[in-house]
Amino acid sequence: AQSVTQLDSQVPVFEEAPVELRCNYSSSVSVYLFWYVQYPNQGLQLLLKYLSGSTLVKGINGFEAEFNKSQTSFHLRKPSVHISDTAEYFCAVSEGDTGRRALTFGSGTRLQVQP
Amino acid sequence: DGGITQSPKYLFRKEGQNVTLSCEQNLNHDAMYWYRQDPGQGLRLIYYSQIVNDFQKGDIAEGYSVSREKKESFPLTVTSAQKNPTAFYLCASSGGQGATGANVLTFGAGSRLTVL
Repeated sequence: AQSVTQLDSQVPVFEEAPVELRCNYSSSVSVYLFWYVQYPNQGLQLLLKYLSGSTLVKGINGFEAEFNKSQTSFHLRKPSVHISDTAEYFCAVSEGDTGRRALTFGSGTRLQVQP
Repeated sequence: DGGITQSPKYLFRKEGQNVTLSCEQNLNHDAMYWYRQDPGQGLRLIYYSQIVNDFQKGDIAEGYSVSREKKESFPLTVTSAQKNPTAFYLCASSGGQGATGANVLTFGAGSRLTVL
């Protein structure tokens, strides 16, 4: 069965500093990987996805993530954060075309950007 | 604009009552999903449906029921058998061609259920 681990439940950071949100997954088959963002009392919005091809994926709002198959990781990064990036971020995995397509989510990381 | 509509946004229920959460999509997506969100636990899959008139249990289906009579609609009933129903419920859908369409989920704004 697939699973996702987000190692940090909260990440405080100052505005304009870089940030990395960590995500590790486990699966017995090839996977598709996703990062979603959730603002308070709202649904989830797709930030970026890895389906195939280049392991460095760029998403919206200046975020990017790198798929590392050997380390089974998909860490999210942003070189300079803004106050508006304060939100909860979820990493998710699905087993692609041959497995369960419903996403399995991590427990989330709350990014708190301070002025 | 295409999207997913969940209603009601907030719902209060007395213990022992069943309640149904609505989810409607106009994206022409084949698959629909229900997730439950609790603080610190992320999202957990309750039920999902890949096509009309078919659905499968997710990881925490006990105490819930669904139907998929129309492509656009996937209502979730929280029954009195659900021991701890207070949570934020999110509906999602996916569809289209290729890996992108099949695996990328679009979410509704959620319904917050509180049991009094």
